[in-house]
Amino acid sequence: EVQLVESGGGLVQPGRSLRLSCAASGFTFDDHAMHWVRQGPGKGLEWVSGIGWNSGAIGYADSVRGRFTISRDNAKNSLYLQMNSLRPEDTALYYCAKELRRGNSPLDYWGQGILVTVSS
Amino acid sequence: ETVLTQSPATLSLSPGERATLSCRASQSVSNYLAWYQQKPGQAPRLLIYDASNRATGIPARFSGSGSGTDFTLTISSLEPEDFAVYYCLQRSNWLTFGGGTKVEIK
Repeated sequence: EVQLVESGGGLVQPGRSLRLSCAASGFTFDDHAMHWVRQGPGKGLEWVSGIGWNSGAIGYADSVRGRFTISRDNAKNSLYLQMNSLRPEDTALYYCAKELRRGNSPLDYWGQGILVTVSS
Repeated sequence: ETVLTQSPATLSLSPGERATLSCRASQSVSNYLAWYQQKPGQAPRLLIYDASNRATGIPARFSGSGSGTDFTLTISSLEPEDFAVYYCLQRSNWLTFGGGTKVEIK
């Protein structure tokens, strides 16, 4: 059974940093690109960042480029999101999700999400 | 950046009725379009990928069509559990989600 479990969220002041982790199991982690998607309170889904199976391809939404860094450790079956210079508008539920296949792939499995609140 | 526009924002229908949801892309995404269902307090669930392929375990009442810039998700006969928010996602150039369509009980 595929499982994606996010951790590392919480309440943080504007301008500070936070590191999210996603522990993956139930599939061959290094065969799949991975992504972070967020959802603000009462809002729609927003793609944040994605990383290829071997970290060769990395992308970011304009709203987080230069502040967030995605990485993965295939030996530990883990995905990370380092979030710096956090803003109130980064407040959201952050989901970790895997791609279905290689190449122009949708996201087929999602974690349950971890809440990040940016407030003074 | 490819912008996805979903319409209508809200669809008010009764169980048993047919639902037709639209997703329009600002530029061609070929057939790299997926549809998701999200219920309150739950993660999104993949329904349709590559515009018209049903994901594993998705009932046949859900179907997708379209290519290029115009896509449609059809629910042939609404079941009580289908009332939810639906999002489209393009995978042609990284990822973009549409703003969502809420299907509510009339």
